Order: sequence, then C-alpha cells, then structure tokens
Amino acid sequence: DTGVSQDPRHKITKRGQNVTFRCDPISEHNRLYWYRQTLGQGPEFLTYFQNEAQLEKSRLLSDRFSAERPKGSFSTLEIQRTEQGDSAMYLCASSRARDGDEQYFGPGTRLTVT
Amino acid sequence: EDQVTQSPEALRLQEGESSSLNCSYTVSGLRGLFWYRQDPGKGPEFLFTLYSAGEEKEKERLKATLTKKESFLHITAPKPEDSATYLCAVQARKDTGRRALTFGSGTRLQVQP
Repeated sequence: DTGVSQDPRHKITKRGQNVTFRCDPISEHNRLYWYRQTLGQGPEFLTYFQNEAQLEKSRLLSDRFSAERPKGSFSTLEIQRTEQGDSAMYLCASSRARDGDEQYFGPGTRLTVT
Repeated sequence: EDQVTQSPEALRLQEGESSSLNCSYTVSGLRGLFWYRQDPGKGPEFLFTLYSAGEEKEKERLKATLTKKESFLHITAPKPEDSATYLCAVQARKDTGRRALTFGSGTRLQVQP
C-alpha cells in the first residue's frame, strides 16, 4: 500500500492557460474523489468516481473543470482557461466501500495562477 | 445543505495541558463523522470515523466522541508533535447516493514545549 499519489506537486501557470493534474489512488480502491482547499479553509468537494463512472459533481465544478477516470484506475483533473481564483491546493482521495469507505488523501497539487 | 462548524479556530496549549476541540454539524441523515489531521503543505491524514451517537474512539492521546449534534476531539497531555490542524467532516447516509465529505474550517492546534 503506497498511498495516494498526485502529480505534479506544484504548478505555476499564467491566467488563461490550461492545466492538468493526475491522481493515482491506493490500489484496489474503487472510489476516487477530488477536493479543492484554499488557505485557512477545509477541503471542498469537487467530484467523485466509482470505478470509471463519475457519479457526483459539486456546483463548484464550473464548465472549465473536467475530470476523467478512463479505466477506473488513475484520474485526471483539467482546468481550462485558468483564473486567479483557481489558485488552491487540489486534493485527491480514494476509498474502498468494504473497508468502511474512509477517504485517504494524497499530498495535493498546489496551483498558483499568476 | 450539510454544514460543519469547528471551534475554536486556533488553540495554543502548553505541553501536557489537556483540552477539547468541538465540531458542530447539521446533515440530512448522518452516515459518518470523520476526524482528520493536516500538517502544513500536506494532505489530510485520516484519524477516526464515528457512526452513531455515544460512540467513542481512541488513538494514543486522542479520543473522539459523538452526539446527535456535535463531536469532540479530546487531547490528553499533548506533545509538541500533536501540533497540526484538525479537521472534522460529515458524510450523508448511503441512501442519498452522496459520498462527498463536507468539512469544517478546522482548528489550528499549537502545543508549546
């Protein structure tokens, strides 16, 4: 069990550019989640996958955000036409229902939009 | 809409000085209440899940309790390495189909030697 991994750990981009983040969940975890966290706040839910199906999306997830989990393993989160307000820590978590469904988080990707 | 409020926002303790953190919640049917620890620049680290009122769980110097409206995280004789932000989150019942966690803003704990 190597834990949830995320890549890159840090990303600096200019406003208007597109960015993509990757998340590799704990092996055998069939559920994967994306959250966003800004300084001094708790994580805010963005979206959730069970296997390859995207089952839940937050109203926070604007049209500029898209997430995929093509084979039910790793996931990508893409932000198009980034804005300064997108600057945040993007966290990925995974869980397995039969283990009580506790969500285990990765280290996060820190996005800075200049 | 599910809501979680944590208090205090920040807490400074001397080493060995026990205290409690509070998490008040409203949720449309609780499946579970979760406590996490988060160190600066890192992802949240899972601590406990509580499922029903009256339940208690312990891990080293930490004990979490749950009532129908709130949860407490008791820290007994804390050490400097317990310094972190402690996050509380709730998850709605399975039959809602929702798996999202709703988090509070956290309590920043500093334990001084």
